This record gives sequence, structure tokens and C-alpha cells, in this order.
Amino acid sequence: NAGVTQTPKFQVLKTGQSMTLQCAQDMNHEYMSWYRQDPGMGLRLIHYSVGAGITDQGEVPNGYNVSRSTTEDFPLRLLSAAPSQTSVYFCASSRLGGVRHFGNGTRLTVT
Amino acid sequence: KNEVEQSPQNLTAQEGEFITINCSYSVGISALHWLQQHPGGGIVSLFMLSSGKKKHGRLIATINIQEKHSSLHITASHPRDSAVYICAVRSDRGSTLGRLYFGRGTQLTVWP
Repeated sequence: NAGVTQTPKFQVLKTGQSMTLQCAQDMNHEYMSWYRQDPGMGLRLIHYSVGAGITDQGEVPNGYNVSRSTTEDFPLRLLSAAPSQTSVYFCASSRLGGVRHFGNGTRLTVT
Repeated sequence: KNEVEQSPQNLTAQEGEFITINCSYSVGISALHWLQQHPGGGIVSLFMLSSGKKKHGRLIATINIQEKHSSLHITASHPRDSAVYICAVRSDRGSTLGRLYFGRGTQLTVWP
């Protein structure tokens, strides 16, 4: 099992560009989520999904879009990147009520 | 106001010392997680607990549901324990059921 795979590991964007952060898991987990981690703050939930075709907003959803067309994949789209979106992004998955498995993170810089 | 508060924010210890990291929370929970984040960023789950105590090697996690408090203990600390330790709680409230709320983390440095 590869666990949770996130790509890319690093990305630099210019303001206004769009991009997709990829997240895939091979554990057949129902629950998948995206978090951002900023200095001095705890991880914050951006969007989450409890199964294919079902997504919902977290604490900080503005400027991000998600979809869940399959159980395995949960991509995060930045529609028009802004410097405030400079952060480290983590994808995680779990069985409902189970232990969270995290990806290795994507370090995004928006200039 | 953060739903999860951790203390201390930073902790330095000599190899072999007993370490305690504390976590207090203010929301109703169904479970509490302790996570470890090493330099380089990967996050690993250490424990998930909803009552009592769990032990894995030199790590022990306890939770007191009535007092809304948890502790993570490391016995015989080692430089390889140096990492950020994060407490997270899983909400049991209807509108946020299953959502995790995270503390800001405790940076632990263990010197040889």
C-alpha cells in the first residue's frame, strides 16, 4: 500500500494562476480531507468528503474547489492563486471514525 | 479562541528525561489524536483514544474526558524524538461531526 500520495511536493505560482493539488489513497477510505498549515497556527480544514460524490466545506474554503469522483482521488483546485494561499497543504484519509493517514504535504508559494 | 490548547509551545530536554506534553480542549469530542510531525513535514498518527490510556513503546497517552484534558508522555527521551507533537480532537457535534480541530503543536528538542 502506498498510503496517501500527494503531488507535487513543491510549487511556485504567480498571483492569478490556477493549479490542482493531487491526492490519492489506496486504502479504500471513505473520508478524505484537505488542510493548510501556516506558521503559528494549527492545521485548518479546507474541504472534506465522506464518500465519492459528496464534498463539504471546512473552516477556510474560500478560493479552493474540490471534487470526489472516485473513492481514491480528492484533488484540490486553486482557482486564482493569491499570496494569502502560500502555505503547506496536507491531504488526509481515514475510515469514518478511524485514524487519519496524512500525505507528505505540498509546499506552495504564491508570488 | 482555539478549541484545542497545547502546552508547552516549546520544550527542550536532555536525552533520557521524562517528557510531558499537555492538551486541553473545549468542545465535545468522540476521540482525541496525538500526531507527530518531523522536520521535512510528514505527519504520522501516534495515538487515537477516547478514554483511559494507551501505550506504544516509550510513548504513553492518557485522556480525562471529564476534565477535557489529555497528556502525551515520552519516557527515556532520545534525540530522534525531536519533532512537533500535535493534539487534535474529533468533534461529536452534529454540524461538525467527525471534523478534527488541531492544537498549534509543541516543538520538542531532545539534546544528546
